[in-house]
Amino acid sequence: QLQLQESGPGLVKPSETLSLTCTVSGGSISSSSYYWGWIRQPPGKGLEWIASIYYSGSTYYNPSLKSRVTISVDTSKNQFSLKLSSVTAADTAVYYCARHYYEQQLLFWFDPWGQGTLVTVSS
Amino acid sequence: DIQMTQSPSTLSASVGDRVTITCRASHSISSWLAWYQQRPGKAPKLLIYKASTLESGVPSRFSGSGSGTEFTLTISSLQPDDFATYYCQQYNSYWTFGQGTKVEIK
Repeated sequence: QLQLQESGPGLVKPSETLSLTCTVSGGSISSSSYYWGWIRQPPGKGLEWIASIYYSGSTYYNPSLKSRVTISVDTSKNQFSLKLSSVTAADTAVYYCARHYYEQQLLFWFDPWGQGTLVTVSS
Repeated sequence: DIQMTQSPSTLSASVGDRVTITCRASHSISSWLAWYQQRPGKAPKLLIYKASTLESGVPSRFSGSGSGTEFTLTISSLQPDDFATYYCQQYNSYWTFGQGTKVEIK
């Protein structure tokens, strides 16, 4: 059964860079049928897609965050990562990684999701 | 950007009730819509994709319908496990979510 697990610092200072890693187990990140994505959820609020990546390195970014976001993949470790620069308090959220269904050059829904990790931006 | 608007934001219901949640898209998204359930402190769980296809293992009391700009999620007989927040998500153009509908105990 595929599982995803987020890891990274729970506290980041304003203006610094948030860095998270998602480790995939129970399946290969190099599958041709999936992209891999990051989604976040501010406390008490809704869900926002951040970015998605294919094992080959092909990427999609949320236009509203694109200037600050970098997503990368390490197939040798079965991991993908997120970097968000110049963070502010507005970036405080639970960050989820998830498998992003892909078929015929289209991306669809997210399933499954990792358990999520809370990242707080504060000095 | 395609905006997704859910209604109501909160819904109070009792066990056994039939519950309907609506999701409206700002532009037509054909049937490119998924529904998720999120219990407190947990990750979202996929319930339905392609507007009406039930994900494997999801109880049949959940159903989805609609196309274009208006969609519904129906729970035919609400069970204790179903008290949660539900989100719709479009995948016609990028990937955006509705603001959520919380189903609470009446």
